[in-house]
Amino acid sequence: GENVEQHPSTLSVQEGDSAVIKCTYSDSASNYFPWYKQELGKRPQLIIDIRSNVGEKKDQRIAVTLNKTAKHFSLHITETQPEDSAVYFCAALLNTPLVFGKGTRLSVIA
Amino acid sequence: KAGVTQTPRYLIKTRGQQVTLSCSPISGHRSVSWYQQTPGQGLQFLFEYFSETQRNKGNFPGRFSGRQFSNSRSEMNVSTLELGDSALYLCASSRAPTGEETQYFGPGTRLLVL
Repeated sequence: GENVEQHPSTLSVQEGDSAVIKCTYSDSASNYFPWYKQELGKRPQLIIDIRSNVGEKKDQRIAVTLNKTAKHFSLHITETQPEDSAVYFCAALLNTPLVFGKGTRLSVIA
Repeated sequence: KAGVTQTPRYLIKTRGQQVTLSCSPISGHRSVSWYQQTPGQGLQFLFEYFSETQRNKGNFPGRFSGRQFSNSRSEMNVSTLELGDSALYLCASSRAPTGEETQYFGPGTRLLVL
């Protein structure tokens, strides 16, 4: 079936370093790719999204890149801070419902 | 503007019982999607409703059902509960069908089946 693979499952970085999370998807017709951040005990919150007609989108320290040919997209967080520690989920619109990756637990070490 | 709300927030049931969860979307939002979140499987899509019509259904057994009312509030029902149904159930709302507009999640209902 349609799926989204997300790597790595856990990631530890030093404060100030960059973090990169990658996702691949199976349906070449997908055209919407959001990223959600979920802090412990809280609801997922959208942090950035990208549509298939754009290759890159940036919002302050967060950026997402999309490679439609290779069917993968990545989240880049620069100058990481302790408050960036959370679980990050990528998702792709696959044949109508959003399909989520399994998540990446990011720990930013002060 | 008030966010997505879900009731109840916590629920304990025993095997074989049934449960109904409620989701009130953001005012003006007509699309409501439901997801099951577990540590092992992550976020899995259950179903989506838009203007009282089910648009899509995930790969879950028929024990899982839902509906949407004319005021866009949605309910999901799980009958004959099994231990494996223990999870956080999240709903998300958006103005338009999934993918056309941003989805906003509710705080979830944590269901424990004993």
